[in-house]
Amino acid sequence: EVVMTQSPATLSVSPGERATLSCRASESVSSALAWYQQKPGQAPRLLIYGASTRATGIPDRFSGSGSGTEFTLTISSLQSEDFAVYYCQQYSKWHTFGQGTRLEIK
Amino acid sequence: EVQLLEAGGGLVQPGGSLRLSCATSAFNLRVHAMSWVRQAPGKGLEWVSGISGSGERTFYADSVKGRFTISRDNTRNTLHLQMNSLRAEDTAVYHCAKGNTNDPDRLTSAYDSWGQGTLVAVAS
Repeated sequence: EVVMTQSPATLSVSPGERATLSCRASESVSSALAWYQQKPGQAPRLLIYGASTRATGIPDRFSGSGSGTEFTLTISSLQSEDFAVYYCQQYSKWHTFGQGTRLEIK
Repeated sequence: EVQLLEAGGGLVQPGGSLRLSCATSAFNLRVHAMSWVRQAPGKGLEWVSGISGSGERTFYADSVKGRFTISRDNTRNTLHLQMNSLRAEDTAVYHCAKGNTNDPDRLTSAYDSWGQGTLVAVAS
């Protein structure tokens, strides 16, 4: 099983600042990597797939990069609605998710 | 607007069974592989099972293999998950999720639409 490790577990950032979230795979997943945002009581929302392609309707302040085993989600200027939990998911070898990064207001 | 609506969750004793349903609308179900993904209380996401667009190919996480059965009815735009021999560790919110490709045989993909989920609680 491909193990996905996200860091940090919690990230405190002020509104308007940049947030950088990391995701590492235990083996190469090429570009088969997605990022999701989840708010309390809601379903996950797809942000990025193919490591760097924004999903429909996702603002361009969200960007993804990386390939192989190292991936990054960057939110360029945090808005109040961006504070949530973020998960990465690999879909190269079935599906595994990271444990999540909680993005909180500093 | 694509909609996925789960139903069928509830409280069940260990060893019991439940059948979950996911009603879909506003997209052609038969051209999309579908999955069930669960989330234990306060925990992360875990893929449970997937099914191809035709329903001919099904796959399961090791944790549920032999106990859960995924199926679909494309004429009724519905996905199902039959859960038998339930255990305490199966307690979670179960989401159905739509694959984001138009290849019905592609079981591995990102998920571009999710239902709100239905809670399954296994306890005596």
